[in-house]
Amino acid sequence: EILLTQSPATLSLSPGERATLSCRASQSISSYLAWYQQKPGQAPRLLIYDASKRATGIPARFSGSGSGTDFTLTISSLEPEDFAVYYCQQRSNWLSFGGGTKVEIK
Amino acid sequence: QVQLQQSGPGLVKPSETLSLTCTVSGGSVSSGSFYWSWIRQSPGKGLEWIGYIYYSGIYYNENTSYNPSLKSRVIMSVDTSKNQFSLELSSVTEADTAMYFCARGIGHYEGSRYYSAEYFQHWGQGTLVTVSS
Repeated sequence: EILLTQSPATLSLSPGERATLSCRASQSISSYLAWYQQKPGQAPRLLIYDASKRATGIPARFSGSGSGTDFTLTISSLEPEDFAVYYCQQRSNWLSFGGGTKVEIK
Repeated sequence: QVQLQQSGPGLVKPSETLSLTCTVSGGSVSSGSFYWSWIRQSPGKGLEWIGYIYYSGIYYNENTSYNPSLKSRVIMSVDTSKNQFSLELSSVTEADTAMYFCARGIGHYEGSRYYSAEYFQHWGQGTLVTVSS
């Protein structure tokens, strides 16, 4: 089983600031990683897949990087609608999700 | 635009079978090649993949894959005549109480190559299932 560890658990930032979220895999997953955004009462929304490809309709301020075991989601300038919980997901060996990072308003 | 509409009971008794259905609109379960999946979310365990059924109308292929921790209790199926896919989880306990989501994996052409993967772009609205007597 591949474990995904996300850090930090909570990120307190102001609109306009840059957000950097981390996801670390317990073993190499190549680039088989996605990022999702989830708001209260909603299903997750796919942002990034294959570590760095933006899903359809996702703004350019969202970017992903990394390979192997270390991955990063960057939001270049936070918009009010970006405050949410973010999850990573791997598909290298079965499927699993990280525990999430909450991006909250400072 | 593909939409997934979930249906099924919100309350299931312990030891019974949880049954949920996901009806697809704006597309066909038998066109393209997609991973049709069930994922659940509980406060204690976060997001948990339950399994998927891969159905390809391009390559005429179908197979299932289940989370090893749930495999002995899970059955997934596709009904192309109703444009639906379903989940059955047997012998439920209170630990199975969660929000259940159906979801469809991505699938699109990149040039002449068709790419499909277990990343979930389309989701149902979620069904809160409580296991209680």
